[in-house]
Amino acid sequence: DADVTQTPRNRITKTGKRIMLECSQTKGHDRMYWYRQDPGLGLRLIYYSFDVKDINKGEISDGYSVSRQAQAKFSLSLESAIPNQTALYFCATSDPGGPGNIQYFGAGTRLSVL
Amino acid sequence: GQQLNQSPQSMFIQEGEDVSMNCTSSSIFNTWLWYKQDPGEGPVLLIALYKAGELTSNGRLTAQFGITRKDSFLNISASIPSDVGIYFCAGQPGGGSNYKLTFGKGTLLTVNP
Repeated sequence: DADVTQTPRNRITKTGKRIMLECSQTKGHDRMYWYRQDPGLGLRLIYYSFDVKDINKGEISDGYSVSRQAQAKFSLSLESAIPNQTALYFCATSDPGGPGNIQYFGAGTRLSVL
Repeated sequence: GQQLNQSPQSMFIQEGEDVSMNCTSSSIFNTWLWYKQDPGEGPVLLIALYKAGELTSNGRLTAQFGITRKDSFLNISASIPSDVGIYFCAGQPGGGSNYKLTFGKGTLLTVNP
């Protein structure tokens, strides 16, 4: 089983709809992250969380919100989806006590907003 | 903000050839990471580098942490078809900002059998 699990893997939605992407991990890591990947732009950080009570905006947080329901769960919401939010979304986790605070990624959610 | 320049953007090679790619930064990093992303999957860590000048291997892959701490290189020897994918470098500052990963835009590798 994957250590970092994202659901759904694919989602098609319409402009204006609210959607939630979910991430769960079995690695026991305190830190969790949400990234967005667009062709030719690499990965950009949306939100990150150091623990259940510590949530922070990344470089592109506008139009997104997150919820850290438990150490193992971190969800990303699009309150009112728009077409330019069509992208690949990745969740990642890290252990601040590990060497280099390496981040481990889920398999991604491909989101299309029509 | 910090930017990483990763090159080349894409490579088309024959099976058995060696591959080199690199990343340069305008800022100093304390850690350099190299990830590979297969189609339809998330990035998977290949090699982590923690010290300037460090040279680390993982099978046919070798990566180096540049002496200036502003660059890193990844080499793949004797490429095989399963090496196909997107390779990303990522730099990480030290101290209280060590949660941040700045990613390069990736190198798309195609290997012709």
